Amino acid sequence: GENVEQHPSTLSVQEGDSAVIKCTYSDSASNYFPWYKQELGKRPQLIIDIRSNVGEKKDQRIAVTLNKTAKHFSLHITETQPEDSAVYFCAASTGNTGFQKLVFGTGTRLLVSP
Amino acid sequence: SAVISQKPSRDICQRGTSLTIQCQVDSQVTMMFWYRQQPGQSLTLIATANQGSEATYESGFVIDKFPISRPNLTFSTLTVSNMSPEDSSIYLCSVVRGGGEAFFGQGTRLTVV
Repeated sequence: GENVEQHPSTLSVQEGDSAVIKCTYSDSASNYFPWYKQELGKRPQLIIDIRSNVGEKKDQRIAVTLNKTAKHFSLHITETQPEDSAVYFCAASTGNTGFQKLVFGTGTRLLVSP
Repeated sequence: SAVISQKPSRDICQRGTSLTIQCQVDSQVTMMFWYRQQPGQSLTLIATANQGSEATYESGFVIDKFPISRPNLTFSTLTVSNMSPEDSSIYLCSVVRGGGEAFFGQGTRLTVV
């Protein structure tokens, strides 16, 4: 089955710096790659996602890149702010729309210091 | 988006007892998913609940321990049976909408003493 690895496990940056989180997946059939942000005591919330037919997607300060050949994808956060502090999870899925069986990475705890 | 109401939000239970978690969605969905998030860990899929059929369990999870009901297209329950302290976790239900985005309930924080 699918296996998703995520690095680093913790990441500390200064406000205004960029943060990069990387994930690799094992199943070449995976076609959907979402990123979730989970604040302490709250549910995971989708922040950005990318499909296998796209190499890069951007939404304001966050972007995701996908390299299908290498089977890895990355989350990029620019101009980080203290409110970006949270745990971030990547995930991969091989399901069709309506049946997205997500396999999650191990998570990255991001701390943005003022 | 999807509105998912999950309850209870938290509970403290005695070992050997069972707890049933409910998940209500604001509109019909084909499949509902149940995840476990152990303290400080990632999310692990327990099972997929399809209305009108038995749930499909992931490796390491069995129906006797985590029975699931799916009586209609907007509701599901997960029961954690014969609980032990190792079952202390956050349990989350999830549905998928539109282009594949997964939405989560607020979670049930379970502590077994």
